[in-house]
Amino acid sequence: KAGVTQTPRYLIKTRGQQVTLSCSPISGHRSVSWYQQTPGQGLQFLFEYFSETQRNKGNFPGRFSGRQFSNSRSEMNVSTLELGDSALYLCASSLTGTGVADTQYFGPGTRLTVL
Amino acid sequence: AQKVTQAQTEISVVEKEDVTLDCVYETRDTTYYLFWYKQPPSGELVFLIRRNSFDEQNEISGRYSWNFQKSTSSFNFTITASQVVDSAVYFCALSEDNNAGNMLTFGGGTRLMVKP
Repeated sequence: KAGVTQTPRYLIKTRGQQVTLSCSPISGHRSVSWYQQTPGQGLQFLFEYFSETQRNKGNFPGRFSGRQFSNSRSEMNVSTLELGDSALYLCASSLTGTGVADTQYFGPGTRLTVL
Repeated sequence: AQKVTQAQTEISVVEKEDVTLDCVYETRDTTYYLFWYKQPPSGELVFLIRRNSFDEQNEISGRYSWNFQKSTSSFNFTITASQVVDSAVYFCALSEDNNAGNMLTFGGGTRLMVKP
């Protein structure tokens, strides 16, 4: 079974631009979560989607948004990029996430550099 | 609020030594889940183990073993006879069982360097 895939793997953007990252979960998994990893803040939860609905959101500004499609694939968008948005963005999928903490399986991440 | 602390930021050992990675957590929930993930230089987080709060039975899997103690809120991870390939950053994580869905709270990670 294929793992979680994320595209693109690397991105370079400039301040003020926007970016869209994509995540395809493991086949059959319906929950997709996003995390940001930086040297200073570590791994932080961004949001989680299940059945095309955002179910949980971390403490990030509204510039960070996401969505999930009917096939469970997910995208996250960051608008008006800031230097501090440079990070590794990790996507994770789990089977159901229906109120029980499923095991989350992570993709290889997208490394975003903002210049 | 939930919190995970990994006090050891970096550990360096020589191959074949045993090494224990510490993890201490805080939660108000009585039902929760604890995880260990490994992050090699490639960046992908690799799932190692999951434990729920009602299962304090320690586990051994090959060279890996885990010691879960609710009394001290600790979930420590031991690698026996370490190998160079074990070099990675290891994360302990906590998830509370609630209807808000999945959310992992990670510790700061422990960088393990195994030297030949």
